[in-house]
Amino acid sequence: QLQLQESGPGLVKPSETLSLTCTVSGDSISSSNYYWGWIRQPPGKGLEWIGSIHYSGSTHYNSSLKGRAVISVDTSKNQFSLRLTSVTAADTAVYYCARPDSGTYLGAAFDFWGQGTKVTASS
Amino acid sequence: QSALTQPRSVSGSPGQSVTISCTGTSSDVGNYNYVSWYRQHPGGAPKLMIYEVSKRPSGVPDRFSGSKSGNTASLTISGLQAEDEADYSCCSYAGSYTPYVFGTGTKVTVL
Repeated sequence: QLQLQESGPGLVKPSETLSLTCTVSGDSISSSNYYWGWIRQPPGKGLEWIGSIHYSGSTHYNSSLKGRAVISVDTSKNQFSLRLTSVTAADTAVYYCARPDSGTYLGAAFDFWGQGTKVTASS
Repeated sequence: QSALTQPRSVSGSPGQSVTISCTGTSSDVGNYNYVSWYRQHPGGAPKLMIYEVSKRPSGVPDRFSGSKSGNTASLTISGLQAEDEADYSCCSYAGSYTPYVFGTGTKVTVL
């Protein structure tokens, strides 16, 4: 069974860079034709897609983040990561990594989710 | 790209049916059959309940059904159970530059 686990600092100072990693077990990113995604949820608010990456390295981002997000993949560790630069209080959220199962196209619904990691942007 | 519009809350008694709407535009819900629905219990991760408008992943009870008409998608929960009390979010494809647009979320209360 596929499992995803987010990890990273729970506290980031404003203007600094948020870095999170998603460790995958039960599937190999390098042989998986799916788009792996990052999604976040600010306190009391709805879900927001951040971006997705394919094992080939193809990436897609939410334009609302204005180029601050970078997603990369490390196939040797079976992990993919998120870097979000110049964070502000508005980036405070629970961050999830996820993967579809119902389709290999970009936009396929996310079947598998990590448990989420809470990140607070504060000095 | 704006978030899809959902009612803040809906409620029903056990055994009843409730329907949650998800209103978008002709650029998202109205133009693609890629609407999905997620259930989320407090403190938990989202769980996929419906994908591609009306398909159920393995293990999701047939009490959950999805549909779409024009720019509005709907999730119906029949035979409401206590475990259905949760937040529900819709999501739609809106093109290759915006593959995921989520809804504002709806809290379902079982009376």
